[in-house]
Amino acid sequence: AQKITQTQPGMFVQEKEAVTLDCTYDTSDQSYGLFWYKQPSSGEMIFLIYQGSYDEQNATEGRYSLNFQKARKSANLVISASQLGDSAMYFCAMRGNFGNEKLTFGTGTRLTIIP
Amino acid sequence: GAVVSQHPSRVICKSGTSVKIECRSLDFQATTMFWYRQFPKQSLMLMATSNEGSKATYEQGVEKDKFLINHASLTLSTLTVTSAHPEDSSFYICSARSPKLRRDGTEAFFGQGTRLTVV
Repeated sequence: AQKITQTQPGMFVQEKEAVTLDCTYDTSDQSYGLFWYKQPSSGEMIFLIYQGSYDEQNATEGRYSLNFQKARKSANLVISASQLGDSAMYFCAMRGNFGNEKLTFGTGTRLTIIP
Repeated sequence: GAVVSQHPSRVICKSGTSVKIECRSLDFQATTMFWYRQFPKQSLMLMATSNEGSKATYEQGVEKDKFLINHASLTLSTLTVTSAHPEDSSFYICSARSPKLRRDGTEAFFGQGTRLTVV
C-alpha cells in the first residue's frame, strides 16, 4: 500500500519569499514516481513537478523544485519567490510500479500568499 | 500539450435522477482513465480505474451500481451517477493516462472537474 502524508494543513507566506511544502511517503514499490499538483479554487489539477525514484538529481521546473530525500522518504516542494497567484491547495501524490499506476494523494496544504 | 476535457463543469440535478459526466482525451489515446471524488476541503479519493474495452475496477467502498463507468473508446470514459442523492454532491474529476510513460511524469492528465449538486 502507498501512503502520502502532508502535515501542513495551511501556510501563510509573504509575497516574494520562498516556501517549502512538506511531503513524506511510504511504499513497498522499488520504482515509483512522486508528483506535486496545484489546485486553485476553480478545481482543476495543475501538474507542477515530477520526481522519479531513480532520478539522481532533484527535479526543477521554473520556480518549483523538489527536494527529494529518498532515505528519509520525503519529497518536499520548494517554491521560490512566491507570487500572489501561488495561493491555492497543493497536493503531493505518488504512483507505484507499472501495474500499480493509480495516483495516491496526500491531504493537501492550503498556501496563502500575503501581499 | 495533451488535454483532457471533462463535461459538464457544473450540474445541479434533482434527487433520484441520473447524471452522466464525460471525460475525453483530446489529442491522445487514453488506455486508462481514473475517476476521483473530492469532498470540500479534502483530498482526491480514487473511485475507479477504467480500461478501454473492459470493466472498470472499483476501489473498496465504491458502489458499482451507483457509479457506472463506461470506457467505450480510447478517447472517452463516462461516469454515470445513478439515482443521485444529496450525499452524492461532490467534485468529480477524471484523469486520462497516455500509454507513453513520459520522463517528466505527465503521463496522467486531469480534466477540469465536475461539481455535482443534488437537490
